[in-house]
Amino acid sequence: EAGVTQFPSHSVIEKGQTVTLRCDPISGHDNLYWYRRVMGKEIKFLLHFVKESKQDESGMPNNRFLAERTGGTYSTLKVQPAELEDSGVYFCASSPLGVETQYFGPGTRLLVL
Amino acid sequence: AQSVTQPDIHITVSEGASLELRCNYSYGATPYLFWYVQSPGQGLQLLLKYFSGDTLVQGIKGFEAEFKRSQSSFNLRKPSVHWSDAAEYFCAVDGGGTYKYIFGTGTRLKVLA
Repeated sequence: EAGVTQFPSHSVIEKGQTVTLRCDPISGHDNLYWYRRVMGKEIKFLLHFVKESKQDESGMPNNRFLAERTGGTYSTLKVQPAELEDSGVYFCASSPLGVETQYFGPGTRLLVL
Repeated sequence: AQSVTQPDIHITVSEGASLELRCNYSYGATPYLFWYVQSPGQGLQLLLKYFSGDTLVQGIKGFEAEFKRSQSSFNLRKPSVHWSDAAEYFCAVDGGGTYKYIFGTGTRLKVLA
């Protein structure tokens, strides 16, 4: 069974540009989560989808971040316009409905110059 | 507010030595507790988890963790470390089944040959 996949693995962009990160959850997992780790700090929750609905987006830092999950399958996280402080590793995780354990992807390393 | 503390940012041990990584949490009741590992270039892999029951939990790769309610701790242990255990280890909690993990800042383990 394929795990959670994320694309791209790395992205280097300039301040003010737009970047879109993609996450493909494990097949059949209706829960999908985004987390972020800024350099040297803890991994922080961004938001949680149940199927295509946003269940909890309390961790989204500001309105420059937009997450979508059309059709309840893969998800995208768009940062527009990117700022220097957005640099970090963005993790996606998924789990089946009713299951607490989350399965994480390899992360996308974003560097904003 | 919930929080997780991993007091040791870096730990160095010799191969074959025993290992204990500390994790303390702050939460009113017993949360769901997790240990994840991130090897270089890899994503977060679940080592073990505690929800209820036996307070000594066995995980993959020979790791175990013990939940101590009185100390609000969930320390990770391994009797004999292998060079391949060099990685960063994260403790996480999910209080109240919110599906929103709170992570510690991580402990980076270095193994000396």
